[in-house]
Amino acid sequence: SYELTQPPSVSVPPGQTALFTCSGTELDDKYVSWYQQKSGQSPVLVIYQDSRRPSGIPDRFSGSNSGNTATLTISGAQAVDEAVYHCHVWDNRIAIFGGGTRLTVL
Amino acid sequence: EVHLVQSGTAVKKPGESLKISCKGSGYIFTNYWIAWVRQRPGKGLEYMGIIYPLDSEIRYSPSFQGQVTISTDNSINTAFLQWGSLEASDSAMYYCATTAGGVATEAFVYWGQGNLVTVSS
Repeated sequence: SYELTQPPSVSVPPGQTALFTCSGTELDDKYVSWYQQKSGQSPVLVIYQDSRRPSGIPDRFSGSNSGNTATLTISGAQAVDEAVYHCHVWDNRIAIFGGGTRLTVL
Repeated sequence: EVHLVQSGTAVKKPGESLKISCKGSGYIFTNYWIAWVRQRPGKGLEYMGIIYPLDSEIRYSPSFQGQVTISTDNSINTAFLQWGSLEASDSAMYYCATTAGGVATEAFVYWGQGNLVTVSS
């Protein structure tokens, strides 16, 4: 079965760029979505179709997908961005999630 | 505005049955796929399955096939997830979510607030 791999944690000082990776075999053959999940809350879609932002998502969030790795970038991370970030693809009509990466802004 | 409102917390004993719900509003309920996603404490998201209310087509994840039943009642714009016999390992938060554009294999755009299920003797 298809697998997505994410590092467990990322830590950046406020105002710096936070990078999240999501790895999978021939990942760029699929559309990747990213979700932000703050503590005690439901996930929120922040990127879909690799790089598109839903309305209401700040433009400091961006995404890309190339080869075996998709990347979510938060430019100028803020304390409000602290959360777990999950990547997601569909494989043979089954939704696959990565394990999630926790962002700490300190 | 789209809302998915879930039925809340459930505390059950092993072997008991359970049916939790997710009520949609602010959109045409029958035209959008609704999925169920499990999240165990401190863990990642796990896809359970998805249903298209208009024709009741259901696609289960192989990991959950035979373990749960997904259904809808379109007269009340509500999706359901049910268990016939709960186990302690079913203790988790369960989210419903709709996909974008009425397409099964799109991003999960809207999420419910979650149903916390605790199974303990």
